[in-house]
Amino acid sequence: AQTVTQSQPEMSVQEAETVTLSCTYDTSESDYYLFWYKQPPSRQMILVIRQEAYKQQNATENRFSVNFQKAAKSFSLKISDSQLGDAAMYFCAYRRSRGATNKLIFGTGTLLAVQP
Amino acid sequence: DVKVTQSSRYLVKRTGEKVFLECVQDMDHENMFWYRQDPGLGLRLIYFSYDVKMKEKGDIPEGYSVSREKKERFSLILESASTNQTSMYLCASSLDGGYEKLLFGSGTQLSVL
Repeated sequence: AQTVTQSQPEMSVQEAETVTLSCTYDTSESDYYLFWYKQPPSRQMILVIRQEAYKQQNATENRFSVNFQKAAKSFSLKISDSQLGDAAMYFCAYRRSRGATNKLIFGTGTLLAVQP
Repeated sequence: DVKVTQSSRYLVKRTGEKVFLECVQDMDHENMFWYRQDPGLGLRLIYFSYDVKMKEKGDIPEGYSVSREKKERFSLILESASTNQTSMYLCASSLDGGYEKLLFGSGTQLSVL
């Protein structure tokens, strides 16, 4: 069974600084998708970034980028130039690429605080 | 503006009550999901549906059932609510295809007393 592990329950970063959130996963599949979701206090889950496992190039979305290490089964999120609005719970998630199910498997989350 | 709507933001019920949580999406998505979110446990999948009248158990289906009579609506049912079902419940939907992102509702915080 696939699992997703986020080993940092809480992180803190100074405004304008860079922070990296860790995520590891376990799967026997070779093709899959990885996601980072953000959940602010409003509770609305928002997709931050996604990565296809067959792509070697790391995904980037503005200040957000990932370090995808397929052999190590690692998928960390880097937030550059942190802003107060980045404060939220961040979830790493995995999804198989094929099959009848499209369910996402989530990690336990990392609560990010941004200090002014 | 496309959205996933959960009928209640907060709900308080008594032990033993039958509870219905409703979720509606307006994007003609095939897939719909119910997750529960608990501190330290992340999001855990309860049930999901990939078509009308089709459902599959997720990781923690015990004590829950679901109904999908129409494509846009996916209901989560607690047949006899218990205190350990106090949690945040999140509904989500997506188009078919693994790369498609999930769109989430705003969640229902359920308290069972």
